[in-house]
Amino acid sequence: DGGITQSPKYLFRKEGQNVTLSCEQNLNHDAMYWYRQDPGQGLRLIYYSQIVNDFQKGDIAEGYSVSREKKESFPLTVTSAQKNPTAFYLCASSITPYSGNTIYFGEGSWLTVV
Amino acid sequence: LAKTTQPISMDSYEGQEVNITCSHNNIATNDYITWYQQFPSQGPRFIIQGYKTKVTNEVASLFIPADRKSSTLSLPRVSLSDTAVYYCLVGERRALTFGSGTRLQVQP
Repeated sequence: DGGITQSPKYLFRKEGQNVTLSCEQNLNHDAMYWYRQDPGQGLRLIYYSQIVNDFQKGDIAEGYSVSREKKESFPLTVTSAQKNPTAFYLCASSITPYSGNTIYFGEGSWLTVV
Repeated sequence: LAKTTQPISMDSYEGQEVNITCSHNNIATNDYITWYQQFPSQGPRFIIQGYKTKVTNEVASLFIPADRKSSTLSLPRVSLSDTAVYYCLVGERRALTFGSGTRLQVQP
């Protein structure tokens, strides 16, 4: 089935560690996105990529990094510089980054700092 | 990028029609209006999209007045399973800012 796969579902990070969240899509979409959601809050855009080898900062990019070496993959690294990383992380994709195209989401990953 | 304003929360009862309005005063000519639904610990999913007038699908209707500065998502005869957060998105490029959405609580 076509869709977006995020892994792991649950991840624990120690203080000072970098962790990477995986996101893979087989929808042949050009655009991919990462969002962060805190409990009871809306989604905030971290990074987005319109095409392979290109990515742009979103509203809360500090403390995060991404890469887009392949069309189907858009991993997110939460670095030690992100002081409050505990949140629900959502990866998404769309055919192109235009509002006329539906955004499809993965199931999300919970990151907790221990 | 057009900013949207939605009510923070709404309450309803099973079987009622629910209308959620989104204001987007700065909508641009090429902007679409899209609504998403999100359940706890899940990613949002597409409900409906429109550009002008009225759009209807199997789950909802979307009403857009001529000036397009607002839109109304209409959910007919809601059930308990419609309890969720509803987001209105507007914009051409980078239509990616979801905001806080409207939390709909459906009571039995």
